[in-house]
Amino acid sequence: GAGVSQTPSNKVTEKGKYVELRCDPISGHTALYWYRQSLGQGPEFLIYFQGTGAADDSGLPNDRFFAVRPEGSVSTLKIQRTERGDSAVYLCASSNPGSYGYTFGSGTRLTVV
Amino acid sequence: AQKVTQAQTEISVVEKEDVTLDCVYETRDTTYYLFWYKQPPSGELVFLIRRNSFDEQNEISGRYSWNFQKSTSSFNFTITASQVVDSAVYFCALSPWSEKLVFGKGTKLTVNP
Repeated sequence: GAGVSQTPSNKVTEKGKYVELRCDPISGHTALYWYRQSLGQGPEFLIYFQGTGAADDSGLPNDRFFAVRPEGSVSTLKIQRTERGDSAVYLCASSNPGSYGYTFGSGTRLTVV
Repeated sequence: AQKVTQAQTEISVVEKEDVTLDCVYETRDTTYYLFWYKQPPSGELVFLIRRNSFDEQNEISGRYSWNFQKSTSSFNFTITASQVVDSAVYFCALSPWSEKLVFGKGTKLTVNP
């Protein structure tokens, strides 16, 4: 597609539930990144994929968070047993080696009640 | 460890004033990229500029200019003759050679008519 697409744009879930957030990167971009942005803060790195594999998952806060990119394009961020502290905007970005910058999606605003 | 500090949390100016957003970074890497992103109220991060650590030339793009000084680890951003449409949160970010971005906390710029 023309840009990075993230769905849903908004998600409200109850504490303890499981959620999946989807990212559809720019076609052909091999690198995909997930970031989390809490209110009033800058985005914080979660995980980076190069192709299908997670090249760096050092930002995932704990084992409730998991991400996949099985075919090297669409990625899904999965959060188990959600907690109120998981409420944030989850941003996805994609890029290609040699490209001039990352392109970010509009994000998914997750609210855990 | 890598860190980006944007000491100005909020700045308010009147249209047509010049404004400078400060960014100071810390890294032990000798090779790295520095970025500025704009985040308007819609929430999407918009790429403005990328500089690599070997290129200390200042850059001008229309009303925007960037001053990179390695000696003081600073990468400041100036908007000349500000406009209401410049109102947004601006983020400075650091990246070790095209991998994950480390963002500052952002500076909220309000340009009043």
